[in-house]
Amino acid sequence: DAGVIQSPRHEVTEMGQEVTLRCKPISGHDYLFWYRQTMMRGLELLIYFNNNVPIDDSGMPEDRFSAKMPNASFSTLKIQPSEPRDSAVYFCASSYGQPSVYEQYFGPGTRLTVT
Amino acid sequence: KNQVEQSPQSLIILEGKNCTLQCNYTVSPFSNLRWYKQDTGRGPVSLTIMTFSENTKSNGRYTATLDADTKQSSLHITASQLSDSASYICVVSGLAGNQFYFGTGTSLTVIP
Repeated sequence: DAGVIQSPRHEVTEMGQEVTLRCKPISGHDYLFWYRQTMMRGLELLIYFNNNVPIDDSGMPEDRFSAKMPNASFSTLKIQPSEPRDSAVYFCASSYGQPSVYEQYFGPGTRLTVT
Repeated sequence: KNQVEQSPQSLIILEGKNCTLQCNYTVSPFSNLRWYKQDTGRGPVSLTIMTFSENTKSNGRYTATLDADTKQSSLHITASQLSDSASYICVVSGLAGNQFYFGTGTSLTVIP
């Protein structure tokens, strides 16, 4: 398996623009997570899905952020409109089984810069 | 407030030496504790996962210990290698299993 795949790897955009980050989880995994990482705050869980259904989105910072998982092999995280403070590395991770017990596998991340 | 604190924030050691990283948490109730290694520019990779009933878990030169009474965990790296240079992140899960509390990590640099 190729592991968790994320695209793009780097994204530079101007404030106010829409940004869409993409993730393909490991085949067969039923949980998918979106994280954000910054130097100041470290890793933060934004939202996670189980069997394509959003379970907990309490980490989503505000309404500008939205995430979807239309099928088991694809998820998107959208920011509209983007702001400079959204600059961070965004990770997608997937796991098979209850996340408190089973391993999460992280993708390589998307480095987002909003100018 | 559930928190996870790691120390030191950064550490520099000579190749071949041992080191120990600390993780203190206040998460309660507690389900499990994980240590991740994150190389620069890459996603975190799991090293160990321990439930509240486990005291120690090894993965090669990495050994994690857990004291659930004092809410402390440590990650011991034996005979360090240059490839151990990375950030090490402690993550504690609440009992519900769906809450994750992250430490801000320890940045380890191994020098020749």
